[in-house]
Amino acid sequence: GAGVSQTPSNKVTEKGKYVELRCDPISGHTALYWYRQSLGQGPEFLIYFQGTGAADDSGLPNDRFFAVRPEGSVSTLKIQRTERGDSAVYLCASSPSLNTGELFFGEGSRLTVL
Amino acid sequence: AQKVTQAQTEISVVEKEDVTLDCVYETRDTTYYLFWYKQPPSGELVFLIRRNSFDEQNEISGRYSWNFQKSTSSFNFTITASQVVDSAVYFCALSDDSGNTPLVFGKGTRLSVIA
Repeated sequence: GAGVSQTPSNKVTEKGKYVELRCDPISGHTALYWYRQSLGQGPEFLIYFQGTGAADDSGLPNDRFFAVRPEGSVSTLKIQRTERGDSAVYLCASSPSLNTGELFFGEGSRLTVL
Repeated sequence: AQKVTQAQTEISVVEKEDVTLDCVYETRDTTYYLFWYKQPPSGELVFLIRRNSFDEQNEISGRYSWNFQKSTSSFNFTITASQVVDSAVYFCALSDDSGNTPLVFGKGTRLSVIA
């Protein structure tokens, strides 16, 4: 499809395991964002990319979280040594350029850490 | 620091009623953008509107209208003649216009429209 694609849609893992979440943005969109949404809350910013570089990673909660976008398209959010508090929906969004504000979101990856 | 407050956690209305969702924001920037997004049960946030801080004109799009009041730092959203398909969580969001900061979202208002 033409929209933002996120995989997996659901991931259940055990505490301490490593997890990768993938985001395939809309073709041609240079800006890519990762947000985290906990139950009953608004999306919380994690990191965003302009091209291949992380323009702002100030929202990453700690060094267990890391994200890459090696070719300026697909991005992977990586979480090491998962904790129960990491359980949330991880949302990816893309935009034709920085700060147009019209972000195009994927349906999210729901992560459950047991 | 930027902050968005949506005081209404949940609202329930009967179909065809009008409903207003409140949004109050805080920012030290003189230029900024305000947004509304809709999150239906499928989970995918959908962009509804962007408003520049210099433009205080109200906007209407079909059954949707937005009232931006800089004096009260509010950007309220009204749905006229609500329909069941309007049931969703609605988020207000804020960004500056520097191009260097991402959107800051409120906690959202869950709207339920009952037939």
